[in-house]
Amino acid sequence: GAVVSQHPSRVICKSGTSVKIECRSLDFQATTMFWYRQFPKKSLMLMATSNEGSKATYEQGVEKDKFLINHASLTLSTLTVTSAHPEDSSFYICSARDTSLAQGQGGYTFGSGTRLTVV
Amino acid sequence: RKEVEQDPGPFNVPEGATVAFNCTYSNSASQSFFWYRQDCRKEPKLLMSVYSSGNEDGRFTAQLNRASQYISLLIRDSKLSDSATYLCVVNMRGAQKLVFGQGTRLTINP
Repeated sequence: GAVVSQHPSRVICKSGTSVKIECRSLDFQATTMFWYRQFPKKSLMLMATSNEGSKATYEQGVEKDKFLINHASLTLSTLTVTSAHPEDSSFYICSARDTSLAQGQGGYTFGSGTRLTVV
Repeated sequence: RKEVEQDPGPFNVPEGATVAFNCTYSNSASQSFFWYRQDCRKEPKLLMSVYSSGNEDGRFTAQLNRASQYISLLIRDSKLSDSATYLCVVNMRGAQKLVFGQGTRLTINP
């Protein structure tokens, strides 16, 4: 089945630094990838939709200058948390859709997530 | 009103019990429906898609009522390994993004 690889799985960084998270589709091409964040005991909240070769679409309330998204190829999207602060500490998860599957079949595969801790 | 609403639980039930989860969605343009399972500190994984006619996969049965905008998941003969958070997920016609409910936490007790 479709596999999405997300790295790193865990990162601790100092306040004010930037952190880059990578999301790769390993055996399929993904023109669109999605970035979510999840706080403890809460559901996934979509941050942005990453489009290959064009600008990402951000959800309301998500700062695009703080969460930089680059989707330069059909298999790689990156999320950079810039000038990180402790309140950015969260679980970040990417997802990609295997468009060879019909929408009703799901076809959305998730990366294993990145646990970011800003100290 | 949230787009997808679930009872957050938690549900604590004994092994072997039958468990039912309910979910409602607000947008009548919703087209595709799923149940995902998420283990603690892990990514969500697709449990099953939900079809209009209802569908079953082993001990799991999913149903959809479009008129009521209601989705359900039934787990029969629950196992310890069923302990997880169950997420109701909806996708609207023409849109690629998924909308997640807040999840229902389930613990199966021995």
